[in-house]
This record gives sequence, structure tokens and C-alpha cells, in this order.
Amino acid sequence: DTEVTQTPKHLVMGMTNKKSLKCEQHMGHRAMYWYKQKAKKPPELMFVYSYEKLSINESVPSRFSPECPNSSLLNLHLHALQPEDSALYLCASSHRTSELRNTEAFFGQGTRLTVV
Amino acid sequence: QKEVEQNSGPLSVPEGAIASLNCTYSDRVSQSFFWYRQYSGKSPELIMSIYSNGDKEDGRFTAQLNKASQYVSLLIRDSQPSDSATYLCAVTSNAGGTSYGKLTFGQGTILTVHP
Repeated sequence: DTEVTQTPKHLVMGMTNKKSLKCEQHMGHRAMYWYKQKAKKPPELMFVYSYEKLSINESVPSRFSPECPNSSLLNLHLHALQPEDSALYLCASSHRTSELRNTEAFFGQGTRLTVV
Repeated sequence: QKEVEQNSGPLSVPEGAIASLNCTYSDRVSQSFFWYRQYSGKSPELIMSIYSNGDKEDGRFTAQLNKASQYVSLLIRDSQPSDSATYLCAVTSNAGGTSYGKLTFGQGTILTVHP
């Protein structure tokens, strides 16, 4: 099973709303990622969690707040977003081998976010 | 210089031909190399991973890695219209013994296979 599940698939929110994106994997992966992807651009890394601890924050604005409640779940809390934050938000997860090599990252189907 | 660069597209090939996609990377400590396929409006789907110099074949796909030249490629044999998609090269490095690896993507190459 190489499935990463993201909910919701689509989200429309106003600039004053608070919403959360959810991601779940049951592959035993201990690294989980949030990416943002704009149209015709590659995925852009936002956050990395390793063993449930935030290990990378790519200078993401504080209106995006990640959370990793346990090894299977990853959330992204959204508050006071701007229209330019509209994008496809992707969650991914991966193993890390004993040779300190990162194995393949598997992506969820994404959440299409529209900020109005 | 971008960390991961892919050959400029779009690339158009006839059905049954070989499609060749290229990628170079700048970080010499890079260790893991991946090719993802992304259909319009969908998420990236892993199609190949390669960690050692040489070739790796999986069905119609062959990945080639040359760490000395910092170059990785993907060949798609007997191309089909269903192969039409954006192909993303991705690279990770494990600098400093940290417990994560930042997965960095190239800008992608749009492939169109026409009947």
C-alpha cells in the first residue's frame, strides 16, 4: 500500500476563515512533507516533519501552521490567507533507510485550495 | 544556477518512438534521484528511482545516472499517447547527517505523444 490520503479534495475559503488540511499515511513513513504547487510550476517545499518534529520550514508565512499529531497524521492549519495562496497543496511521505538514504516520496492527491 | 534543471520543453514525439528526458543537478552530495509523472490537475506519481551510477530499467522506462557529470535521464520506449504528461526530475541530498532529505524538483518537461 503506497497510499497517502488528503482531505478535503477541494476547499474554497474566505480571507477571514480558518480551515485545516489533513493528510494521513499508514506506510510507517517517518518523514512527511507539505508542498505548494501553482499552475505550470513544480511543487515547492513548505515544511518537513521528521519523526513528528518540524525539521524544515522554508520561510513559510505564519498564516500557514503545520502540525504532526502522530506518525501517521499531518495537518496544515490555514488562517487569514490571501488570494495568491490559492494553489494545489500536496502532502507526501517517505522512508529513511539505515544507509541514511531517503527513499521514494509518495504524494497524496492534493487539496485544491481557492481563497476568495 | 538552479539546483535541478531539466531540458527545455515541450517535447513532442510520435507514438512508438523513444522519448528522452534530461536533468542536471548542482549539489554534489545528492544521493537519491527520482522521476515523477504528473497529469494535468493531478498529483505527482513516482515512476522511477535511482541511487547508483548506471542504468535502471522498469518496463518501458529506463533511468540513467552519472554522478560524475551530475546528470540523470529518463528514456521512455514505445511511447504511448497515455504517456503525455509533465515529467518532473527530483533530487535529495542528506547533508550533515540530518534525519531528513529535502526533495528538490526541476521545473518539469511537458511531453506530448501524438498518434
